[in-house]
Amino acid sequence: QQQVKQSPQSLIVQKGGIPIINCAYENTAFDYFPWYQQFPGKGPALLIAIRPDVSEKKEGRFTISFNKSAKQFSLHIMDSQPGDSATYFCAASMSNTGNQFYFGTGTSLTVIP
Amino acid sequence: DAGVIQSPRHEVTEMGQEVTLRCKPISGHDYLFWYRQTMMRGLELLIYFNNNVPIDDSGMPEDRFSAKMPNASFSTLKIQPSEPRDSAVYFCASRRTGGGYGYTFGSGTRLTVV
Repeated sequence: QQQVKQSPQSLIVQKGGIPIINCAYENTAFDYFPWYQQFPGKGPALLIAIRPDVSEKKEGRFTISFNKSAKQFSLHIMDSQPGDSATYFCAASMSNTGNQFYFGTGTSLTVIP
Repeated sequence: DAGVIQSPRHEVTEMGQEVTLRCKPISGHDYLFWYRQTMMRGLELLIYFNNNVPIDDSGMPEDRFSAKMPNASFSTLKIQPSEPRDSAVYFCASRRTGGGYGYTFGSGTRLTVV
């Protein structure tokens, strides 16, 4: 059973556009929600993370929006660039019980110049 | 810090052979995770260790897979005998105790079983 559901599977945007990737979860015990970025041939790298006590977090051009009541969170990439083309994974974990991250299935983003 | 180091980067082996993948976690990280990534199934957790002790191996697909962590700086994932369906990218990741610290992944080992 997929603990974290991610959509869309793939996304193509023009340079400067704002791609949005969505994730949903069911387990209300999750309290840490990271996003990972993966380039071909590389391991996933932590991009940005949020806890459910805030509704939004920004780091540079990357923003996480978090809706606790809907059990959804999303990644927005402002002013997207071709260099942002990668696969993005959302994840969730319970920090007070074990440390397993449950990953979404990934979104392949292509930013066209 | 050199990050999480995995070896080899690529491995091609014949069906039935034994394969051993290696991982050196970041110094000071007390959790170590082994993941498998395929197009069909995404990132799957195989097993994880805390302070060198296996905590959850429920993701290990079958008895052909085994993992060890003899000390804080080294872990192995072994497949014996290997099968073509084991072909995937295997990632090792490490993490420090405490909520809020994301995993640091290694660069992975691409395994091809022919």
